Amino acid sequence: AQSVTQLDSQVPVFEEAPVELRCNYSSSVSVYLFWYVQYPNQGLQLLLKYLSGSTLVKGINGFEAEFNKSQTSFHLRKPSVHISDTAEYFCAVSERGGGADGLTFGKGTHLIIQP
Amino acid sequence: AAGVIQSPRHLIKEKRETATLKCYPIPRHDTVYWYQQGPGQDPQFLISFYEKMQSDKGSIPDRFSAQQFSDYHSELNMSSLELGDSALYFCASRPQGNLWYGYTFGSGTRLTVV
Repeated sequence: AQSVTQLDSQVPVFEEAPVELRCNYSSSVSVYLFWYVQYPNQGLQLLLKYLSGSTLVKGINGFEAEFNKSQTSFHLRKPSVHISDTAEYFCAVSERGGGADGLTFGKGTHLIIQP
Repeated sequence: AAGVIQSPRHLIKEKRETATLKCYPIPRHDTVYWYQQGPGQDPQFLISFYEKMQSDKGSIPDRFSAQQFSDYHSELNMSSLELGDSALYFCASRPQGNLWYGYTFGSGTRLTVV
């Protein structure tokens, strides 16, 4: 079984400042890693994913994340945030291979952009 | 591009009633997942189907059942509803063996049990 820890439940950042949302995972097998964003009263939208290859992955809306196997981390970063980035961000993992590939989510981080 | 369609968008039921939620995956997506997201909570995996067979089971209560039909759409049946079942229910789909596009989620069905 796998688990995901998002250490920060809430991150306030000033507009145009950089931000990092932290995500650590635990699993006995190799995993795929995802970041999803959820705007109020909406569904989950995929920001980016790590399946294999380069450990630095770039996603939509200027976000990027780096997979660090030794630290079992997949932190999300953006160099300059905008008011429209205010949302809930979820880190998620799924097992590689096999049928047990339902996503396991972290508790989420609420990104609050301050003007 | 076509997305995952869920119906209804909103549903209000009384305790002990039954509810049926529907999910229509993206065309050619043969794998469907159901998630439950309580207020202020992270989504919890309930159950998944591949080619009309249950492929994985998560924290789905025994009062709930689901199935996938020949056209790949899926239905989540919920009986003896409890107040605690009030949540946002998401469906996600993907083509088996291809995670390039990740798991695509629908907009969800908001179930309120009163």
